[in-house]
Amino acid sequence: AQSVTQLDSHVSVSEGTPVLLRCNYSSSYSPSLFWYVQHPNKGLQLLLKYTSAATLVKGINGFEAEFKKSETSFHLTKPSAHMSDAAEYFCVVSDGGTSGTYKYIFGTGTRLKVLA
Amino acid sequence: NAGVTQTPKFQVLKTGQSMTLQCAQDMNHNSMYWYRQDPGMGLRLIYYSASEGTTDKGEVPNGYNVSRLNKREFSLRLESAAPSQTSVYFCASSEAEYRGIGAGAFFGQGTRLTVV
Repeated sequence: AQSVTQLDSHVSVSEGTPVLLRCNYSSSYSPSLFWYVQHPNKGLQLLLKYTSAATLVKGINGFEAEFKKSETSFHLTKPSAHMSDAAEYFCVVSDGGTSGTYKYIFGTGTRLKVLA
Repeated sequence: NAGVTQTPKFQVLKTGQSMTLQCAQDMNHNSMYWYRQDPGMGLRLIYYSASEGTTDKGEVPNGYNVSRLNKREFSLRLESAAPSQTSVYFCASSEAEYRGIGAGAFFGQGTRLTVV
């Protein structure tokens, strides 16, 4: 069975400093991994995805994530935080099912706070 | 270019009342999903539909029923609402995925449901 663990429920950074949001996964299959962002009172938006191509994945708004199979990790980073990055971030794993469809398993979320 | 549309956006129910949450997508996706989001618990899958005419239980299906009316529409019904069903409900859709390759799910804006 697949699962995902977000190691921090809350992260605070100062504007202009790096962001690191940690995610570990467990999967018996070759996983697809995603990061989603949810701004207050909004729906979820896809930030980036890993689907067994390049291990360093670049997403929108300057975010990127690196897939490390040996560490079963998919941490999200950004070199310089902006006030607009304040939101909740979800790490998601998905395994391809034998029927050709699949389910998404969500982590419990990391709330990012950006301090002026 | 609406994407995934959910109705209603807000709803208050009394315990024991019933209601149906509607969801429609215009991206010609095969798979559709219903999630609930509760504080500190991330998103949990209620039901999903891999394709028109099929539905399957997710992680927390008790107290809910679904109907995949056609390829575009996937509704969620609460037959007898309970306070424990107070939550934010998200509908999502995605292309069917093979061998781990696929797009991330697209989400609606959510329905905030309160059961008193």
